Amino acid sequence: AQSVTQLGSHVSVSEGALVLLRCNYSSSVPPYLFWYVQYPNQGLQLLLKYTTGATLVKGINGFEAEFKKSETSFHLTKPSAHMSDAAEYFCAVSAGSNRDDKIIFGKGTRLHILP
Amino acid sequence: DGGITQSPKYLFRKEGQNVTLSCEQNLNHDAMYWYRQDPGQGLRLIYYSQIVNDFQKGDIAEGYSVSREKKESFPLTVTSAQKNPTAFYLCASSFPRQGRWQPQHFGDGTRLSIL
Repeated sequence: AQSVTQLGSHVSVSEGALVLLRCNYSSSVPPYLFWYVQYPNQGLQLLLKYTTGATLVKGINGFEAEFKKSETSFHLTKPSAHMSDAAEYFCAVSAGSNRDDKIIFGKGTRLHILP
Repeated sequence: DGGITQSPKYLFRKEGQNVTLSCEQNLNHDAMYWYRQDPGQGLRLIYYSQIVNDFQKGDIAEGYSVSREKKESFPLTVTSAQKNPTAFYLCASSFPRQGRWQPQHFGDGTRLSIL
């Protein structure tokens, strides 16, 4: 069965600094990987996804993530944080093709931007 | 614009009462999902439906019920058997599954509280 671990339930960065949110997954088959963002009292919005092909994936709002099979990681980065990036971020994996396989979400990382 | 509409945004339940959360989508998606979100626990799948008139239990289905009579609609009933219903409920939809679960589009959620 697949699983997702997000390291750090809260991350704080200064405005203009690098954003790095960590995600590690477990899967017995090649995974599909996703990052979602959630603003307060709203649903989740897809930031980016990896299915096959290029391992560096670019998403919306200047975010990108790199699939590293050897490290079973899919960390999310942004070169320069903006105040509007303050939100909760969820990593998710879809790894199976059987009827009972599902998208599994991590527990989320809340990103705080310091002025 | 296409999207998912959840209503109401806030809902209060009395002890022993059933309440129904509405979810409507006009994205022409076949698959629909209900998640429960609690602080620090991420998203947990309650029920999902891949096609009209068919649905499956997720990880935490006890105390909940659903119906899927129309492609556009997937209402969730929180029954009196659900002893801890206070949470943020998210509805999602996606394209039909073809081997893998696809990225999901989310509504803006319903926050349910106990009176």
